[in-house]
Amino acid sequence: SQQGEEDPQALSIQEGENATMNCSYKTSINNLQWYRQNSGRGLVHLILIRSNEREKHSGRLRVTLDTSKKSSSLLITASRAADTASYFCATAPRMLIFGTGTRLQVFP
Amino acid sequence: IAGITQAPTSQILAAGRRMTLRCTQDMRHNAMYWYRQDLGLGLRLIHYSNTAGTTGKGEVPDGYSVSRANTDDFPLTLASAVPSQTSVYFCASSQQGPSNYGYTFGSGTRLTVV
Repeated sequence: SQQGEEDPQALSIQEGENATMNCSYKTSINNLQWYRQNSGRGLVHLILIRSNEREKHSGRLRVTLDTSKKSSSLLITASRAADTASYFCATAPRMLIFGTGTRLQVFP
Repeated sequence: IAGITQAPTSQILAAGRRMTLRCTQDMRHNAMYWYRQDLGLGLRLIHYSNTAGTTGKGEVPDGYSVSRANTDDFPLTLASAVPSQTSVYFCASSQQGPSNYGYTFGSGTRLTVV
C-alpha cells in the first residue's frame, strides 16, 4: 500500500532554475522525510520535518508541510547538474513508507 | 567511513536456491530494515528490527526471513528463490526505530532470479 505519492513523476529543468516536487499522503503522520537517490545508488536522507512543523530549510533545500492537506513540497533552489537524481518522500505513521519518487533531470 | 555495507553487490540466482544477503553497519544504530525496490513501485519494507534480538514483518515479508543476533548485522535470507523476487534490495538503519530519525542506506544488492 502506497502512503506517499510524489508529483510530478518526472521533471526537467535548466541549471540555475528552481525545482519543486510535491508529495501527498493518506494517513496521519509523525514526520515526513525526503530522500535523494542517484542512479544505481542507495538513498540519501535529505531532511526530516515533524508533524508540528510547517517549514524547514537545509542549504538550498526548503521543505513545507501542510498536515491539513496531507501534503508536502520540496524546493531545490538554484539547481545544479549534480542535483539530477530521483527524490522520494517517506512518511512515518509508524514505519517509514516511501513513495514512488520524482525523477529530476537538471541540464547544464 | 561509517555506514552500511551490503554484499554481494549483484547476484544471479537459480530459482529454488537459497540465498542470504548480508548487511553490516558500524554506526551502532539500534534499528535496521530491509527494503526492496521495483520499478514503478518504489521501496517496500520487507522486514525490520528495532533492536538486537527482535524482528518484525513489513509490507512484503513472504518468502523472506531475517535474524538480528547482534547490533551490527542484519542478514536477509531467501529460503527458495522465485523469479518475482528479482529486485534491488536495500538495507537501512536508523539511530532508533521505527521512524523518528532519518535512515542511512546501503548501496544495494541487485538480485536476478532465473
